[in-house]
Amino acid sequence: DQQVKQNSPSLSVQEGRISILNCDYTNSMFDYFLWYKKYPAEGPTFLISISSIKDKNEDGRFTVFLNKSAKHLSLHIVPSQPGDSAVYFCAATADDKIIFGKGTRLHILP
Amino acid sequence: NAGVTQTPKFRILKIGQSMTLQCTQDMNHNYMYWYRQDPGMGLKLIYYSVGAGITDKGEVPNGYNVSRSTTEDFPLRLELAAPSQTSVYFCASRFTNYNEQFFGPGTRLTVL
Repeated sequence: DQQVKQNSPSLSVQEGRISILNCDYTNSMFDYFLWYKKYPAEGPTFLISISSIKDKNEDGRFTVFLNKSAKHLSLHIVPSQPGDSAVYFCAATADDKIIFGKGTRLHILP
Repeated sequence: NAGVTQTPKFRILKIGQSMTLQCTQDMNHNYMYWYRQDPGMGLKLIYYSVGAGITDKGEVPNGYNVSRSTTEDFPLRLELAAPSQTSVYFCASRFTNYNEQFFGPGTRLTVL
């Protein structure tokens, strides 16, 4: 039973365009949502987060949108750069734990 | 400030052997976590700790044990290694009032 779902295993985007990564969740008790980025042979690194009481958070090229009624969040990267090629994990917190999605591999094309 | 460090980076075990994966953080974080990541899958929580002397099970604790005698260290013990434990193991830590976790570089374990 996946509580955090990333339905697109991979995504290819032209350099300079917008990348949109999507995430759905089932547990309405989640109070915080995070995005992590992971390069091969490295641990995940924190990218951006959003509280469940907000609907948008922006940090430079990265913006996360939260739609609580749809139990959906998305990460927008504008403009996409070659260094953005990585696996992106959506995660949600409840109590002291974090539940991760399976990840979406983003390829930025030259 | 080294952050979260994990040793070893790679290890091959035979079925039935035991080993301890080491994790140390120098950020004075209360919370520490152990995850495993199987190919094409997200991170699954094995065990976590909210402070020295306190540990609790995550989603997939079977076959593993942990201890937390100090704030800095959170070792993960495999007693009887099985092929199903072949995975990449990540340790992470965070402060009490912050949700952001800091991850180590991972340990790639193969059980043959």
